[in-house]
Amino acid sequence: DAGVTQSPTHLIKTRGQQVTLRCSPKSGHDTVSWYQQALGQGPQFIFQYYEEEERQRGNFPDRFSGHQFPNYSSELNVNALLLGDSALYLCASSLDWRSTDTQYFGPGTRLTVL
Amino acid sequence: QKEVEQDPGPLSVPEGAIVSLNCTYSNSAFQYFMWYRQYSRKGPELLMYTYSSGNKEDGRFTAQVDKSSKYISLFIRDSQPSDSATYLCAMLWGGNQFYFGTGTSLTVIP
Repeated sequence: DAGVTQSPTHLIKTRGQQVTLRCSPKSGHDTVSWYQQALGQGPQFIFQYYEEEERQRGNFPDRFSGHQFPNYSSELNVNALLLGDSALYLCASSLDWRSTDTQYFGPGTRLTVL
Repeated sequence: QKEVEQDPGPLSVPEGAIVSLNCTYSNSAFQYFMWYRQYSRKGPELLMYTYSSGNKEDGRFTAQVDKSSKYISLFIRDSQPSDSATYLCAMLWGGNQFYFGTGTSLTVIP
């Protein structure tokens, strides 16, 4: 049973560029959440998708957007990259956004903005 | 004030020691509490999940929740070098938005 997978593993971009990160949830999970983890910090919630709609959103600007596909996979898009966007971006999947079932994390995509 | 506070450490202990990791929180609505382990440059891995006050044990790990004090702990018995990682506490109150601590870096010295 495959767990949560993310691609790419690493990414280097320059300021002002746009980036797309991808996530496939654990088998049987239909809810995907995205987190940003800066170096030495805990993960910060960006947003959550269920049934192809954004259900919850953390305190992140509109430059951060996402999408969920019918097969439950998801993308995170970040526009107009800033140096401060450099971080590990984590995807987590769970069963049903309304439940309190725990989340399972992928290995993350490390984004470096130069 | 952050929703969840966690001492970042670093914490260094000899192999075989008992480790105590702690988090405090301010939101009394939190009902579900988790501990994750994160190895360097990897995603967090779930260790313990509890939803009530009291203790929950799983092998060498014990999670403790004191809702009256808004305080949770993770104890690791007979610590091993393979336990060296960052430990993150996380919590939520309904919905599915997790709030994480900053993580405590632990090194177990052989």
